[in-house]
Amino acid sequence: DAGVTQSPTHLIKTRGQHVTLRCSPISGHKSVSWYQQVLGQGPQFIFQYYEKEERGRGNFPDRFSARQFPNYSSELNVNALLLGDSALYLCASSLKAGTNTGELFFGEGSRLTVL
Amino acid sequence: RKEVEQDPGPFNVPEGATVAFNCTYSNSASQSFFWYRQDCRKEPKLLMSVYSSGNEDGRFTAQLNRASQYISLLIRDSKLSDSATYLCVVLTNTGNQFYFGTGTSLTVIP
Repeated sequence: DAGVTQSPTHLIKTRGQHVTLRCSPISGHKSVSWYQQVLGQGPQFIFQYYEKEERGRGNFPDRFSARQFPNYSSELNVNALLLGDSALYLCASSLKAGTNTGELFFGEGSRLTVL
Repeated sequence: RKEVEQDPGPFNVPEGATVAFNCTYSNSASQSFFWYRQDCRKEPKLLMSVYSSGNEDGRFTAQLNRASQYISLLIRDSKLSDSATYLCVVLTNTGNQFYFGTGTSLTVIP
């Protein structure tokens, strides 16, 4: 079975540009979460979507937005990129929102470099 | 104050050693607790959940002290393959947001 897939795996952008990152959850999983991981830090929560609705939002500026599609895949958009947005962006899927099993299944991430 | 605090290490230990990692969390209403493992340049993966009564999985023992808002992970008989970053994770009482600690780096030396 395919795990969580993310694209692109690596990308380089310049300040002020826009980026779209994509994620396909594990088949049957309805919840997708996005995390930002800066080098040397743990993942920081950005968004959670469940059944196409936003269920949680972390402490990130409005330049960050996301959506979930009817097939449960998701996009993360970041506008007006800053140097500090350089990070590994991780997508995680789970069966439902608020799962108590704690099993978030992560993709390998999209590594964004902003120059 | 951060939701989850961990000592980033690094911890460098010889094979066979016992090593312990600690973590504290700030929200007393947090409902679930976990340890994730992250290998270099890889994604995090669930290592084990942490229960109030303490739980063990082979060489790994996790404990939770709700009164002190403290979580621990003990690794016995360390193997070279245990080298990784160990992330302490807390699920909020709303059930939809996981908070990750900075991670503790472990290197097991031959």
